[in-house]
Amino acid sequence: DAGVTQSPTHLIKTRGQQVTLRCSPKSGHDTVSWYQQALGQGPQFIFQYYEEEERQRGNFPDRFSGHQFPNYSSELNVNALLLGDSALYLCASSLFGRAYEQYFGPGTRLTVT
Amino acid sequence: AQKVTQAQTEISVVEKEDVTLDCVYETRDTTYYLFWYKQPPSGELVFLIRRNSFDEQNEISGRYSWNFQKSTSSFNFTITASQVVDSAVYFCALSEALTGSEKLVFGKGTKLTVNP
Repeated sequence: DAGVTQSPTHLIKTRGQQVTLRCSPKSGHDTVSWYQQALGQGPQFIFQYYEEEERQRGNFPDRFSGHQFPNYSSELNVNALLLGDSALYLCASSLFGRAYEQYFGPGTRLTVT
Repeated sequence: AQKVTQAQTEISVVEKEDVTLDCVYETRDTTYYLFWYKQPPSGELVFLIRRNSFDEQNEISGRYSWNFQKSTSSFNFTITASQVVDSAVYFCALSEALTGSEKLVFGKGTKLTVNP
């Protein structure tokens, strides 16, 4: 039973560029949540996708957007990258309404130079 | 509003010492879940425990134990006879069940270093 997978593992981008991160949920899960973890901080909720729609959003600017595909996988897009976007981006999957059973992926470490 | 406070930024102990990691939470919900996660240097979040707000029984799992006290809004985590492999950042998190919020709110974490 495959757990949550994320790609790529590491990524280096330049300020102003755009980036796309990918997440495949655990088998049987229909909901994907994204978190940003800056260095020395706890993960912060970015948004959640269910039924291909953004259901809930944290306090992040519109530069952060996402998408969910019919197979429940998800993408996180960040436009106009800033140095402050450097972080570990974590994806978590669950069944909708069961956030208390979220499974986390290994994360994508994004470095913006 | 949801909030999780881990007042201890870093803790350093010598192997075999007991260590307690503190967690204080705030929520207006009457039904909620509390979590502890471990994050080793590799970065992956490792789930340790989940408790719901109706279950205040303390729990022990091997060298790990958790003390949940609603009266003080605390959910503390104790490692008995610590080992070098316990070195990691530990996060406490909260999820509200009745507000429709699907997010986990994390504390800032406590970095535990266990020295040989």
